[in-house]
Amino acid sequence: EDQVTQSPEALRLQEGESSSLNCSYTVSGLRGLFWYRQDPGKGPEFLFTLYSAGEEKEKERLKATLTKKESFLHITAPKPEDSATYLCAVQAGAGGSYIPTFGRGTSLIVHP
Amino acid sequence: EPEVTQTPSHQVTQMGQEVILRCVPISNHLYFYWYRQILGQKVEFLVSFYNNEISEKSEIFDDQFSVERPDGSNFTLKIRSTKLEDSAMYFCARGLSHYEQYFGPGTRLTVT
Repeated sequence: EDQVTQSPEALRLQEGESSSLNCSYTVSGLRGLFWYRQDPGKGPEFLFTLYSAGEEKEKERLKATLTKKESFLHITAPKPEDSATYLCAVQAGAGGSYIPTFGRGTSLIVHP
Repeated sequence: EPEVTQTPSHQVTQMGQEVILRCVPISNHLYFYWYRQILGQKVEFLVSFYNNEISEKSEIFDDQFSVERPDGSNFTLKIRSTKLEDSAMYFCARGLSHYEQYFGPGTRLTVT
């Protein structure tokens, strides 16, 4: 049973075409929700941590938002260099654990 | 940006052999982690290490695995008696807290 579900699995955009990636979660007692970027054959690159519903964080063309059930990663006017797989992970607070659970990721391709 | 180096970048070993994967965190971060990612699969938590002790480990991290900081700097993951299903990318990560982790480039382990 997946606790973290990312959609869509793959997304193709034209340069400049804004869109959003979704991460829905079913854990209770969320400690933190994380977004990473992963390029092929590389390690995940930390982007954001969100802690509570209503929180938003921005970095360049990326903006992450959080509700009680899901998080969105909004990409505004993407460029080809934004092409990567975007991973979401959650930490649930049950039992004092900090073990993160990752989603399968959304593969984003931005065409020039 | 915080950096982690991992060696080797690629390790090929025969089933049943022992391997040691190394991580060199370039700063004084307190928390260290090992993750693995089987090709095409999710990133999976293996173990977290704090103050020279294991703080948490997943079900994957059984008696086949061990971690240590032999010289106070390098952080190693040892896999005893490797199996075919151990073939994966292994990532070391570090952080000042559990809420912001920086991953290394990974070691690709191939068990034949």
